Amino acid sequence: AQSVSQHNHHVILSEAASLELGCNYSYGGTVNLFWYVQYPGQHLQLLLKYFSGDPLVKGIKGFEAEFIKSKFSFNLRKPSVQWSDTAEYFCAPPDAARGALIFGKGTTLSVSS
Amino acid sequence: DTGVSQDPRHKITKRGQNVTFRCDPISEHNRLYWYRQTLGQGPEFLTYFQNEAQLEKSRLLSDRFSAERPKGSFSTLEIQRTEQGDSAMYLCASDGGARYEQFFGPGTRLTVL
Repeated sequence: AQSVSQHNHHVILSEAASLELGCNYSYGGTVNLFWYVQYPGQHLQLLLKYFSGDPLVKGIKGFEAEFIKSKFSFNLRKPSVQWSDTAEYFCAPPDAARGALIFGKGTTLSVSS
Repeated sequence: DTGVSQDPRHKITKRGQNVTFRCDPISEHNRLYWYRQTLGQGPEFLTYFQNEAQLEKSRLLSDRFSAERPKGSFSTLEIQRTEQGDSAMYLCASDGGARYEQFFGPGTRLTVL
């Protein structure tokens, strides 16, 4: 069965610190990859996506992610976090057979001002 | 707002009662997914529809759960004889393309007393 692993369960940073959240997934026939974010009290929303082409993709709010095919990784980065980035982050590759997203346990990011 | 909507947003029920949730996807999306999310976990796939056809159900979906999508528009998820273990956030998502980019609704939070 396909799986996804997020390396950090809870990350605590001060504002302006750099962020990198690790994600490894098992290959399921498609390289479509997603990061979703859930801000407190809000629903899941797409942060960024990779389909093909340039392995470095940019998303909303200054986030970017790098797809490394040889490592089955899709790590999320942001050079300088803000208090408003406090949220839960999910790496979610799709199950190629059904299209349903496979979520890990997520990473809770807490940013102090 | 033409995003995915879900109703109700919160449901409190007593053990043994039946509950039904509704999801209205983005109108042109032909695929609709149901997920369940418990505290500290990422969403887990329950079932999905391509138009009105229910194509797959997770083994998480016991016989007490049933889902429909009449006419390929809105969908309902019914839980019969609720148990305390059913307490969770039930999420609906839809996508309309071949790349599995899904848009999520706000969820229905179910509490079974």
